[in-house]
Amino acid sequence: GIQVEQSPPDLILQEGANSTLRCNFSDSVNNLQWFHQNPWGQLINLFYIPSGTKQNGRLSATTVATERYSLLYISSSQTTDSGVYFCAFDNYGQNFVFGPGTRLSVLP
Amino acid sequence: ETGVTQSPTHLIKTRGQQVTLRCSSQSGHNTVSWYQQALGQGPQFIFQYYREEENGRGNFPPRFSGLQFPNYSSELNVNALELDDSALYLCASTPTTGGYQETQYFGPGTRLLVL
Repeated sequence: GIQVEQSPPDLILQEGANSTLRCNFSDSVNNLQWFHQNPWGQLINLFYIPSGTKQNGRLSATTVATERYSLLYISSSQTTDSGVYFCAFDNYGQNFVFGPGTRLSVLP
Repeated sequence: ETGVTQSPTHLIKTRGQQVTLRCSSQSGHNTVSWYQQALGQGPQFIFQYYREEENGRGNFPPRFSGLQFPNYSSELNVNALELDDSALYLCASTPTTGGYQETQYFGPGTRLLVL
């Protein structure tokens, strides 16, 4: 099956700092997504980003499908950005396959 | 808020017991998927239900079973609980299946602890 890698595995930032999270996949994938899981376990979709660049406030994402990677940018981080960030892809309309995640801690 | 609800929020069971977890899909969504998330890992797909039929299954043994009801709500049943079943169980709903999904909407999860 397709392998998904995320880096870094852990990240600690001071409030206000910027960061870049990376997702690599071993083959072409469909419907690449970024999710945020808050410390209470709620998983929220951030971006549907099969290719190109999207922005939503302080967050933006870029997927280069031909090179099999995606990046999530967080600018001016806030403590509420803490949690785990997952990239995931659609497995033929049946389920999402998740990467191992990047755990982000934003310190006040 | 995703419109997907799960109950209970937390549960403690002992090894060998059986458990039933419940999920109410977002309105208008006829497909529900269940995931198991062990501590420190990403969610792992258990199975998906579409119009009350199982529509795909991940690498989980038969003691993990499910149901979907006519109102599209769903249950996950786990028999003969093992210590490794301790995890966060997530359900997710989508409006349809048969094609690639733009996203899934996740519930808040049920935390199961098996002692």
